[in-house]
Amino acid sequence: VHLLQSGAEVKKPGASVKVSCTPSGYMFTRYGISWVRQAPGQGLEWMGWISTYNSNKKYAQRFQGRVTMTTDTSTGTAYMELTSLRSDDTAVYYCARGDVVETAAFDYWGQGALVVVSS
Amino acid sequence: DIQMTQSPSTLSASIGDRVNITCRASQSISGSLAWYQQKPGKAPNLLIYKTSWLEGGVPARFSGSGSGTDFTLTISSLQPDDFATYYCQQYNSYSWTFGQGTKVEIK
Repeated sequence: VHLLQSGAEVKKPGASVKVSCTPSGYMFTRYGISWVRQAPGQGLEWMGWISTYNSNKKYAQRFQGRVTMTTDTSTGTAYMELTSLRSDDTAVYYCARGDVVETAAFDYWGQGALVVVSS
Repeated sequence: DIQMTQSPSTLSASIGDRVNITCRASQSISGSLAWYQQKPGKAPNLLIYKTSWLEGGVPARFSGSGSGTDFTLTISSLQPDDFATYYCQQYNSYSWTFGQGTKVEIK
């Protein structure tokens, strides 16, 4: 099992970023994907979850209105888009595999995608 | 939202020491508690789920216990590869929350 994420991005404040996550080694629609971020020197923060089976979603309250999680089952890729970027959105963004319908722990993680927000 | 409080935030220990890290939830989480290990520059790695179930490939020196709101990760005999940061995570009703982390350092 491997979750391959897109590369590092540098964005200006107010812009948007879209990070991709392409799992391999299992059937894409059998597991859900969560997104977790980690600011430099800080802890882990859960952003949201999407079911790759039926596209049900749950976003963390603090990201509601700014984050959109989607999947493309034809390519087996999950996406996380964050809008209205601020400097404190600078972080490594991880995708992680969980259950497709239930709330579960994350057994595999992507390598992370660094997003730097700077003018 | 459920809040998770880990302690201590930093722990200094020697090879062979028994180490305990605790995690307290702001309300009962019915055993839906996981522990992760993270090394610098790397993604977290799942160690334990459902409070005490060891993930495949994780050494048996790691164990988890607890119930309700109070949980513990124990490393029975600290090894050089165990110096890292550890996070607890609750997962309940489509909500996930991490503790703030415990850094295990060499004494």
